Amino acid sequence: GNSVTQMEGPVTLSEEAFLTINCTYTATGYPSLFWYVQYPGEGLQLLLKATKADDKGSNKGFEATYRKETTSFHLEKGSVQVSDSAVYFCALGDDKIIFGKGTRLHILP
Amino acid sequence: GAGVSQTPSNKVTEKGKYVELRCDPISGHTALYWYRQSLGQGPEFLIYFQGTGAADDSGLPNDRFFAVRPEGSVSTLKIQRTERGDSAVYLCASSHRDSYGYTFGSGTRLTVV
Repeated sequence: GNSVTQMEGPVTLSEEAFLTINCTYTATGYPSLFWYVQYPGEGLQLLLKATKADDKGSNKGFEATYRKETTSFHLEKGSVQVSDSAVYFCALGDDKIIFGKGTRLHILP
Repeated sequence: GAGVSQTPSNKVTEKGKYVELRCDPISGHTALYWYRQSLGQGPEFLIYFQGTGAADDSGLPNDRFFAVRPEGSVSTLKIQRTERGDSAVYLCASSHRDSYGYTFGSGTRLTVV
C-alpha cells in the first residue's frame, strides 16, 4: 500500500538558515503529494501540493518538487523564520490521504 | 459555514461508555474524512465519505467504531465501549470532489479515563 517516510525530528535551526525536510514515498500509480503544517495550538493546514511528476509546489517561501525517479518530495526553504516553528507532515493520496509521522521544526532567534 | 466545525472540542469519558463526535463540513464539500491523531504521530486515516456513503472505511480499527453521514453533510463518529487506547485527537476534514487537499477542523480531543 501507499506510505510516506519523513525525517525524524526535532530539527533545530537558527533564523535565516536553509531548511530541508526529507520525504520519500511508496505508492501505486502517481498520487498527489502534499506538505501540511501544524502550528502550535492550531489545526492542520495545507502548505503546498504537487499533482504530477516534476511539478513544484510552493507557498510562503517553501518549495517541494515531485520527483518520480527518486520517489521524493523534500521540503525546502531558503531562509527560515522563528514563525516557521511548527510540525510539518508529508502526505500523499488522491481520495484518501496518507500522512507521515511529522517533523517538528524549532527555529531559534 | 466558513470552515470545518467539530464538536465538542474536548470530551472526557469513562472507560466503557459510548461517545459521539460531530463534524460539520464546509458547505458544498462532497467528501468528508475522519482521522485520528495520537500524540507525536501523524493523522491516521479512519473513514471517508463521498456524499452519504462510506467510500472507504478500511481505517476503522474495529467494530466499536462507526460513522454515519445520513444527509451528505454533517457526520457523526460513534465509538462504543470506549477504551483508554481510544484517547486521541479525532480530526475531520472535507474537500470538494474536484480539488486536491483537504480543509481540516480543529479536532475533538477525546480522553478516556
